[in-house]
Amino acid sequence: NAGVTQTPKFQVLKTGQSMTLQCAQDMNHNSMYWYRQDPGMGLRLIYYSASEGTTDKGEVPNGYNVSRLNKREFSLRLESAAPSQTSVYFCASHRDSYEQYFGPGTRLTVT
Amino acid sequence: AQSVTQLGSHVSVSEGALVLLRCNYSSSVPPYLFWYVQYPNQGLQLLLKYTSAATLVKGINGFEAEFKKSETSFHLTKPSAHMSDAAEYFCAVSEQAGTALIFGKGTTLSVSS
Repeated sequence: NAGVTQTPKFQVLKTGQSMTLQCAQDMNHNSMYWYRQDPGMGLRLIYYSASEGTTDKGEVPNGYNVSRLNKREFSLRLESAAPSQTSVYFCASHRDSYEQYFGPGTRLTVT
Repeated sequence: AQSVTQLGSHVSVSEGALVLLRCNYSSSVPPYLFWYVQYPNQGLQLLLKYTSAATLVKGINGFEAEFKKSETSFHLTKPSAHMSDAAEYFCAVSEQAGTALIFGKGTTLSVSS
């Protein structure tokens, strides 16, 4: 049972490049989330998926797209990266319980 | 709208001293409240949660928190700090089970010997 896994762990992009952050969970959870963490800002919700086939915007969705590929996988795509998207990205999931389980994070730098 | 305020972005204590990290929330309904800990370069780990059962909640690593509705607070305490407690701590709230969390901005705990 690996929990929530994220790839890659580190990434450096140039402004304008695109990339997809991958997230997978093996806990049979319905809901999945993408957050970004910036110094002094806590974690802010980018997008979430309450169930397979549904996605909704969170607090800071601009510049991002998501895909809930199946129950296990939820990807986050940056179509044209900007320096403001330099951040640590966390994926999380939960079923019907209250707490969320977090992945180890992806550290993204956009130059 | 829900919100979480963590008072003090940095807290420093000596090893063996009391740890007190403050969290106040606003919510239009009885909330679910959480404390998460993040060690350097790692993800978030759940310390404890309040889900309308006992108001004093015990978590892992000797931490506990008390839900006080009249003060809209959910402060985190530990009687005796250990060097290994140095980390960043996040308070979070949700109004419904199974929904997104709203996080505070975090408090960095430093422990000196």
